[in-house]
Amino acid sequence: EAQVTQNPRYLITVTGKKLTVTCSQNMNHEYMSWYRQDPGLGLRQIYYSMNVEVTDKGDVPEGYKVSRKEKRNFPLILESPSPNQTSLYFCASSSDSGTGTQYFGPGTRLLVL
Amino acid sequence: AQSVTQLDSQVPVFEEAPVELRCNYSSSVSVYLFWYVQYPNQGLQLLLKYLSGSTLVKGINGFEAEFNKSQTSFHLRKPSVHISDTAEYFCAVIGYSTLTFGKGTMLLVSP
Repeated sequence: EAQVTQNPRYLITVTGKKLTVTCSQNMNHEYMSWYRQDPGLGLRQIYYSMNVEVTDKGDVPEGYKVSRKEKRNFPLILESPSPNQTSLYFCASSSDSGTGTQYFGPGTRLLVL
Repeated sequence: AQSVTQLDSQVPVFEEAPVELRCNYSSSVSVYLFWYVQYPNQGLQLLLKYLSGSTLVKGINGFEAEFNKSQTSFHLRKPSVHISDTAEYFCAVIGYSTLTFGKGTMLLVSP
């Protein structure tokens, strides 16, 4: 089954404790991205990757890091989480950054205390 | 830069009534346009997209949208909604490599 998986699905952590949210896709897609969803703000893109070892900032990259060492994986790293990063995070992948349908993971709900 | 405006944050409607969810965009380059739907506690899935060609685009679950270049709009419509259409709907535009979403419209269908 074609899918995007994210782990963990739910996470509670404390300010400053580094965390990683994993994202994996099994569709051989080149394009992957991370979004955060906040009430009243819709989805905002954090980072995206056009291919292995190619990443770029989206609209709200501050406080986040990403890496793309393999085509299938695109982890999101919060080196020092803060309460304003409490949000619902989605990973997505696509075969074509411009016109392709984006396939979204189920989401990771993060609470930073 | 590109932006998307969804004019209504909530649209309440009765079952079997028609509905239109409005979306306007701005961009300095040619764009592709999308509507995504998010059911409660789920990720987003594509409803329909406009890339080129006919300005009337049909999607899944009986939805359609019309691209209007002169009015920079891409409104979503359905002639008769069901309870199961209750969800949040997002309009999105891609101009360069980044996909920009609107803030979403919550469609609330009641019996």
